[in-house]
Amino acid sequence: EVQLLESGGGLVQPGGSQRLSCAASGFTFSSYAMTWVRQPPGKGLEWVAVTGASGYTKYYSDSVRGRFTISRDNSKSTLYLEMNSLRVEDTAVYYCAKDVAGIFNGMDVWGQGTTVTVSS
Amino acid sequence: QSALTQPPSVSRSPGQSVTISCTGTSSDIGGFNRVSWYQQAPGTVPKLIIYEVSNRPSGVPDRFSGSKSGNTASLTISGLQAGDEADYYCSSYTSSSTVVFGGGTKLTVL
Repeated sequence: EVQLLESGGGLVQPGGSQRLSCAASGFTFSSYAMTWVRQPPGKGLEWVAVTGASGYTKYYSDSVRGRFTISRDNSKSTLYLEMNSLRVEDTAVYYCAKDVAGIFNGMDVWGQGTTVTVSS
Repeated sequence: QSALTQPPSVSRSPGQSVTISCTGTSSDIGGFNRVSWYQQAPGTVPKLIIYEVSNRPSGVPDRFSGSKSGNTASLTISGLQAGDEADYYCSSYTSSSTVVFGGGTKLTVL
């Protein structure tokens, strides 16, 4: 069964840091681009970042560029999101997702999400 | 990058069809065939229902179809069922090498 399992969410103070992980199983992780998408409470979806299959290609939304870093360890089938200088507006459910093919073409497998709350 | 524009809500009766629009610009929808649609029922994870404008992943019924004209993409659902009640989001690749989502459309099947 194709599965993504996020972890690492929690309560963090403004200006703090948090590292999210996403463990993949059931597919050849190293063959697919992987994406982080977030959803603030009661609001819509917001694209955060994507990394290509090899991990060399990375792109970010304007709202997180310079503060967040996406990375992957293909030997561990795990995706990461390092979040620094966190702001209240970063509060959201963070989903990792597998790209359907190539990159930027849509995400066909989603994790259950992990909640990050930025508050003092 | 501004969000794509979707109607906040639509409602139809079972058995009817509905078309949800998603309007962007020549820098996103109009410039690329990389439009996706997602269905998110209450309390659930988003589900991909259309990718690359009109392609359906395996397992998605052919009642769901996608199209694009200029800077506007559309999702059509025919033969509406109660189980189709959900929030629907469009997304598109942009010329800035990012992805932008629409604000979402709440579909109510009365």
